[in-house]
Amino acid sequence: GAVVSQHPSRVICKSGTSVKIECRSLDFQATTMFWYRQFPKKSLMLMATSNEGSKATYEQGVEKDKFLINHASLTLSTLTVTSAHPEDSSFYICSAREVGRNTEAFFGQGTRLTVV
Amino acid sequence: AQKVTQAQTEISVVEKEDVTLDCVYETRDTTYYLFWYKQPPSGELVFLIRRNSFDEQNEISGRYSWNFQKSTSSFNFTITASQVVDSAVYFCALSALENRDDKIIFGKGTRLHILP
Repeated sequence: GAVVSQHPSRVICKSGTSVKIECRSLDFQATTMFWYRQFPKKSLMLMATSNEGSKATYEQGVEKDKFLINHASLTLSTLTVTSAHPEDSSFYICSAREVGRNTEAFFGQGTRLTVV
Repeated sequence: AQKVTQAQTEISVVEKEDVTLDCVYETRDTTYYLFWYKQPPSGELVFLIRRNSFDEQNEISGRYSWNFQKSTSSFNFTITASQVVDSAVYFCALSALENRDDKIIFGKGTRLHILP
């Protein structure tokens, strides 16, 4: 099946620094990628929809300036957590769907972010 | 608006027992897709099944089976002869065309414990 690679899988950063998470579709093109956040023992909360070549669409309550999303190509989307704080510590997962097909979304392995 | 309800927060069964995970969904669309994903302790999301709204046939895949009933807006998942390796969080999800970006909305998940 299709593969979505997310990097890094784990990151620890100091409060106030920025962290970039990459999401790549390895064997297909994705015009749309999705970023989710998952708190411990909770469901996946959709943060934003990343559209190639245009601005991301953020869900209500998600700070655009805090969580910067860039979708520069059909195989890469990045999420940058700016000026990270301990409350940003969470599990972030991206997913991607193939261009032109309403199929299952393939998910990356997730990134566990810890802000100290 | 779309919504997915997984009423069972946590279930524990003894190995070899059958277990059914419930999922009820809401959408205004007549065309939509339903999914089940498994999230083991490692965190990655494993795709299990996708079902479109026009296909009400039940599906069986090994020890897994799914019962889709449009009349009750349910898409239940049964594991037969459960095994310890089935222990995970299981998410039911929905993607409907009322949402242009085809984003997938997740239920809150059911944490399944299979006891040896």
